[in-house]
Amino acid sequence: AQKITQTQPGMFVQEKEAVTLDCTYDTSDPSYGLFWYKQPSSGEMIFLIYQGSYDQQNATEGRYSLNFQKARKSANLVISASQLGDSAMYFCAMRLYNQGGKLIFGQGTELSVKP
Amino acid sequence: ETGVTQTPRHLVMGMTNKKSLKCEQHLGHNAMYWYKQSAKKPLELMFVYSLEERVENNSVPSRFSPECPNSSHLFLHLHTLQPEDSALYLCASSPETGEKLFFGSGTQLSVL
Repeated sequence: AQKITQTQPGMFVQEKEAVTLDCTYDTSDPSYGLFWYKQPSSGEMIFLIYQGSYDQQNATEGRYSLNFQKARKSANLVISASQLGDSAMYFCAMRLYNQGGKLIFGQGTELSVKP
Repeated sequence: ETGVTQTPRHLVMGMTNKKSLKCEQHLGHNAMYWYKQSAKKPLELMFVYSLEERVENNSVPSRFSPECPNSSHLFLHLHTLQPEDSALYLCASSPETGEKLFFGSGTQLSVL
């Protein structure tokens, strides 16, 4: 069964430090994409970073990087130099391209950045 | 500003009311989506529209009725809702189905 698991309901990090948010996935489909979204208290979902299942290198977007370990089926998000504005819910999602682009979300991790 | 606008931002309704949620996208996308986000649950896909045609309906109760009059607008008509329907309802769009989603800010719905 296809599934996304985020095991950390809540995380704390000190401002300016790095933090890793965990995401594991389960699919037998060889063609998929992995996404991370940020949801601040305003409710809007903001796209952060994308990793395709065939991509050889880990994706990076500014302070965000995705630690993609295909054999372990993990796609952890690393945020470097945390800022107070990073406090939000973070969702990992998987898109299955052989199933009409079906998108499955994890339950989310609430990140709090301490000053 | 993501280019996807949802109104209203907040809605409180009784179980016998009829109301509608509105979503508008200014991105020229062909696909639009409704998601439900309940507290402590993963996002649940409700409906997908591609070029104004419904392509996916994820076993959503009939008290939720979507409408897509054109590729820029998406509505979710609500009637005789239950308290367990209280949630954040998110609209999203993408250039085509299967591509990166752009989300609106959501409508926080409370059913009393």
